[in-house]
Amino acid sequence: DAGVIQSPRHEVTEMGQEVTLRCKPISGHDYLFWYRQTMMRGLELLIYFNNNVPIDDSGMPEDRFSAKMPNASFSTLKIQPSEPRDSAVYFCASSDRDSGANVLTFGAGSRLTVL
Amino acid sequence: GDSVTQMEGPVTLSEEAFLTINCTYTATGYPSLFWYVQYPGEGLQLLLKATKADDKGSNKGFEATYRKETTSFHLEKGSVQVSDSAVYFCALTRASGGYQKVTFGIGTKLQVIP
Repeated sequence: DAGVIQSPRHEVTEMGQEVTLRCKPISGHDYLFWYRQTMMRGLELLIYFNNNVPIDDSGMPEDRFSAKMPNASFSTLKIQPSEPRDSAVYFCASSDRDSGANVLTFGAGSRLTVL
Repeated sequence: GDSVTQMEGPVTLSEEAFLTINCTYTATGYPSLFWYVQYPGEGLQLLLKATKADDKGSNKGFEATYRKETTSFHLEKGSVQVSDSAVYFCALTRASGGYQKVTFGIGTKLQVIP
């Protein structure tokens, strides 16, 4: 398996623009997570899905953020409109609960810069 | 709620030095404990884990022992290499509503100089 695949790896955009980040989890994994990493706040869980259904989105900062998982092999995180404070690295991770203690496999991340 | 506390970095060591990165946790029940490592420009990857008290996780020369009496899971390596330079995250998981919620520490940056 190629692991968790995220795109784009880098995104630079201007304030007010829409940003869409994409994730392909590991085949067979039934949990998918979106995290945000910043120097100030470290790793923050934004939302997670189980079997394509959003379970907990309490970490989503505000209504400008939305996430979808239309099928088991694809998820998106959208920010509309984007703001400079959204600049961060966004990670997607997936997990198989049958692995025992819920080990997460992370993608390489999408570095977002909002000017 | 659950929390993980790890030492602030950065930690700078010379090659072949002994490494300790402290990690303590607060959680109810019997969490599982992990160390993840993040190399520059990459996502986090699992380094080692321990699922019950007194278990020792080990990988790539790194070790950590689950100490329930001190609620600790300190990471150690006897001789670090330049290639170990990375950010290390302590984490715990605990069952919550049918899902094992993961709580991460803030991460400790390690820099190993030749």
